[in-house]
Amino acid sequence: NAGVTQTPKFQVLKTGQSMTLQCAQDMNHNSMYWYRQDPGMGLRLIYYSASEGTTDKGEVPNGYNVSRLNKREFSLRLESAAPSQTSVYFCASREQGTGELFFGEGSRLTVL
Amino acid sequence: QKEVEQNSGPLSVPEGAIASLNCTYSDRGSQSFFWYRQYSGKSPELIMSIYSNGDKEDGRFTAQLNKASQYVSLLIRDSQPSDSATYLCAVNSPSGNYQLIWGAGTKLIIKP
Repeated sequence: NAGVTQTPKFQVLKTGQSMTLQCAQDMNHNSMYWYRQDPGMGLRLIYYSASEGTTDKGEVPNGYNVSRLNKREFSLRLESAAPSQTSVYFCASREQGTGELFFGEGSRLTVL
Repeated sequence: QKEVEQNSGPLSVPEGAIASLNCTYSDRGSQSFFWYRQYSGKSPELIMSIYSNGDKEDGRFTAQLNKASQYVSLLIRDSQPSDSATYLCAVNSPSGNYQLIWGAGTKLIIKP
């Protein structure tokens, strides 16, 4: 049982480059989330998808786009990366009954 | 602004002692409360969820919820060096659909 799988685990970009972080869950959860975590700042919500076909902005959506491809997959795209987007990104999915979130292993992104 | 407050620590506890972690929240409408453990460089891992006033025990862990005072705590009995991690408190946001509000975390150090 893989749970939540994120790729890539590490990525280095130059300013202005684009990339997509991929996330897939095999727990049949409706809701999925993208967070970023910076030292001393805790988890900040970028975007979430309450169900297949819907996406909504979180606390820090600027510079990002998302796609809920199907029930399993939720991708995060950086169209023109900036050094301020250097961070660790976590994808999570939510168990509907309990509200518990389950996280992927994280993607460490460095923008030079 | 809905908030979840935690003491950032570090909280240093001798091995074998009880570690007590506290969290306060501002939204009286919150109904679901979660404790996550995060090891350095790893993703958050769910330890406990609690929904009703009182205590909930799971092995060495006890979560305590007091909705009247708007606090939730986590007790770790017989603390082990492997319990050294950052502990994140999360609370559901009744007004923020499907979202959790996160504390910044308390760093716990268990000294052998």
